[in-house]
Amino acid sequence: KQEVTQIPAALSVPEGENLVLNCSFTDSAIYNLQWFRQDPGKGLTSLLLIQSSQREQTSGRLNASLDKSSGRSTLYIAASQPGDSATYLCAVNNNNDMRFGAGTRLTVKP
Amino acid sequence: DAMVIQNPRYQVTQFGKPVTLSCSQTLNHNVMYWYQQKSSQAPKLLFHYYDKDFNNEADTPDNFQSRRPNTSFCFLDIRSPGLGDAAMYLCATSRDAAWPQHFGDGTRLSIL
Repeated sequence: KQEVTQIPAALSVPEGENLVLNCSFTDSAIYNLQWFRQDPGKGLTSLLLIQSSQREQTSGRLNASLDKSSGRSTLYIAASQPGDSATYLCAVNNNNDMRFGAGTRLTVKP
Repeated sequence: DAMVIQNPRYQVTQFGKPVTLSCSQTLNHNVMYWYQQKSSQAPKLLFHYYDKDFNNEADTPDNFQSRRPNTSFCFLDIRSPGLGDAAMYLCATSRDAAWPQHFGDGTRLSIL
């Protein structure tokens, strides 16, 4: 059974800092991996999707990488801003079976 | 804008009183999903529909049922809610397994 782990569980950084969030998974047989953002009491906003054949995806200040063989993905956030404060979740998908990590709660201090 | 809409945003029900949560989509996606998310935990997949084909997760309690009367709508029925069913319920859609999932804002369910 697929297990997804995110480290750290919480992270606090000063504004402007570059940071990396980590996601690991136990079964490399995946269709894709998706990173989401969740604000308190809200649903999930999709940030980036990486197909199993891809190594990375970029959107603005965000860059996500995927190393399927080692079961790892990272989300890199450049020049962090207070508005980036949220919980970031990664999820691995295998044929409509989507498994989430518990998330990393990010706080960016002004 | 095309989107996934969940109603209501907040639902309060009594212990044991049936409740229905609804989800609609304007994306015309084939797949609709229901997730349960408890406080500070990962969303947990309950079931999904691929068109009219229903797929239940093995550990989803029998207390939870779902209906998809057409492409646009999907409902989550909780037949006899217990205190442990208090959670955020998230609906998502995708075009197919390899495509990204799009989420609604969720319905927060409270049990009195």
